[in-house]
Amino acid sequence: GENVEQHPSTLSVQEGDSAVIKCTYSDSASNYFPWYKQELGKRPQLIIDIRSNVGEKKDQRIAVTLNKTAKHFSLHITETQPEDSAVYFCAASPFSGSARQLTFGSGTQLTVLP
Amino acid sequence: DAGVIQSPRHEVTEMGQEVTLRCKPISGHNSLFWYRQTMMRGLELLIYFNNNVPIDDSGMPEDRFSAKMPNASFSTLKIQPSEPRDSAVYFCASSFTRGGGQLQETQYFGPGTRLLVL
Repeated sequence: GENVEQHPSTLSVQEGDSAVIKCTYSDSASNYFPWYKQELGKRPQLIIDIRSNVGEKKDQRIAVTLNKTAKHFSLHITETQPEDSAVYFCAASPFSGSARQLTFGSGTQLTVLP
Repeated sequence: DAGVIQSPRHEVTEMGQEVTLRCKPISGHNSLFWYRQTMMRGLELLIYFNNNVPIDDSGMPEDRFSAKMPNASFSTLKIQPSEPRDSAVYFCASSFTRGGGQLQETQYFGPGTRLLVL
């Protein structure tokens, strides 16, 4: 099955700086890579996703890059703000015919210091 | 849109008791997922359904866990008997999966059920 590794487990940045979180996956059949943000005590919520037919996607201050050859993908947050503080999870999903499932990374606790 | 609805939001029970968690997916969604989240193990997929049919239950920890989806708008996750190590937050998520499986649709999570087994 799919295995997703995520680094770092914790990340502290100064407000206004950039943050980068990296993930690797093992199953070359994976073709969908979402990123979820989970605030304390809340549900995971999708913030951005990328499919294997593109190498980069951007949405305002958030961007995701994908390197299929190396089987890794990254989340980039620019101009960080205190409200960006949360746990971020990457996930990978292989195409499996009738249904899809996500394998999540272990999460990164991002703290943005004011 | 009410989103994914889960009940109860909190459950405290004693070891050995039966626990039933409930989920109502987003209307029109045809895939439903049950996850468990703990500090030690992170976010784990327990089981998922597509068109009310269980597709993969390999994540279910043991026979004490069972899940059903009797119709498109309701699913249950049951633990019988419960044990302290079952304490966790249980999330239900749903998505709409297009035919052919070529596209992964966004999974929307419910608010979760925080379970404490004493």
